[in-house]
Amino acid sequence: GIQVEQSPPDLILQEGANSTLRCNFSDSVNNLQWFHQNPWGQLINLFYIPSGTKQNGRLSATTVATERYSLLYISSSQTTDSGVYFCAVYGGATNKLIFGTGTLLAVQP
Amino acid sequence: EPEVTQTPSHQVTQMGQEVILRCVPISNHLYFYWYRQILGQKVEFLVSFYNNEISEKSEIFDDQFSVERPDGSNFTLKIRSTKLEDSAMYFCASSVGEAFFGQGTRLTVV
Repeated sequence: GIQVEQSPPDLILQEGANSTLRCNFSDSVNNLQWFHQNPWGQLINLFYIPSGTKQNGRLSATTVATERYSLLYISSSQTTDSGVYFCAVYGGATNKLIFGTGTLLAVQP
Repeated sequence: EPEVTQTPSHQVTQMGQEVILRCVPISNHLYFYWYRQILGQKVEFLVSFYNNEISEKSEIFDDQFSVERPDGSNFTLKIRSTKLEDSAMYFCASSVGEAFFGQGTRLTVV
């Protein structure tokens, strides 16, 4: 099956810093989503992005499907950005989401 | 804004007991899912449901698990005889393209 790897596994930032999170996948995918898991465990939708670039406030995402990766950019980070960021892909004939390994982000004041 | 709702938010159960986790998906969505997340680990697929039947299930989804859409709005996950290793956060999701997740049910088996 499709493998989804994220990097870095952990990241500590000072408030106000920028960061880039990466998601690599091992095969062609039909679509890709980014989620933020907050400290209460909720999975919050960030982007639904099969290709191209999307922006939402301080966050933006770029997916290059032909090269099998996606990037999530966080600018001017805030403490409320802390949590785990997951990418998840829909692959092949399946309609299920396959989650990546996650990036644990801690933003310090 | 429509959302996926799950009940209960927490459940503690004795090993060997049956539990039913409940979900109300977003009303116009066609695909329904259950996922689980053991503490500190990644989110794992359990089962997908489409057109009133299971469309795919993982190796985790053995005979102890079952799903049902009993009344056209609710979507349930039953674990027949819980084990300690079933302790996890269970997420329901629905989609018609983009998937949306409920807030989760934290199941603790003691």
